[in-house]
Amino acid sequence: ELKVEQNPLFLSMQEGKNYTIYCNYSTTSDRLYWYRQDPGKSLESLFVLLSNGAVKQEGRLMASLDTKARLSTLHITAAVHDLSATYFCAVDSFGNEKLTFGTGTRLTIIP
Amino acid sequence: KAGVTQTPRYLIKTRGQQVTLSCSPISGHRSVSWYQQTPGQGLQFLFEYFSETQRNKGNFPGRFSGRQFSNSRSEMNVSTLELGDSALYLCASSLGGGGYEQYFGPGTRLTVT
Repeated sequence: ELKVEQNPLFLSMQEGKNYTIYCNYSTTSDRLYWYRQDPGKSLESLFVLLSNGAVKQEGRLMASLDTKARLSTLHITAAVHDLSATYFCAVDSFGNEKLTFGTGTRLTIIP
Repeated sequence: KAGVTQTPRYLIKTRGQQVTLSCSPISGHRSVSWYQQTPGQGLQFLFEYFSETQRNKGNFPGRFSGRQFSNSRSEMNVSTLELGDSALYLCASSLGGGGYEQYFGPGTRLTVT
């Protein structure tokens, strides 16, 4: 059974600081996704990582994938308050639409 | 391009009742997946439909069922509601066939009293 672990579960950061969220998964997977969720809202797609060594960046967020280590990271640079949200990673397997989600990381940016 | 839509957005039901939730995917998307989100269990996969056929199913009791119509719209039904069924139900659509990004709808917030 595919398991996905995220850490930390909670993260409180000061504005302007850098930090990284980690996502480990238990079996070989072809694709890794990062989503953002604001309170009471749905999931917003941030990144889709499709191959080993993939790196994608959007604004202050950068995601990377190491399939050999079964590890993805979401790096936050110079955090701003607008980035406060819960971030989820998810993985699926080739030919399978089923996403297995991590527990989520609740990120709070303190002014 | 219109996104994934879900109706209703909010629903309050009583234990023992049944409920039907609806999801309209992005135009051209043939795969619809359903997820349940609760504070205790997180995001859990319910089932996925592609071209009117259920392709994958999560570990939920038979009270949870779904179907997909020829226009790719999907419904999920929960019978004999329990308090623990209170959750945010999200549907997601994709082109299908594996390897495509899934786009999530706004969700239906179900409260069972």
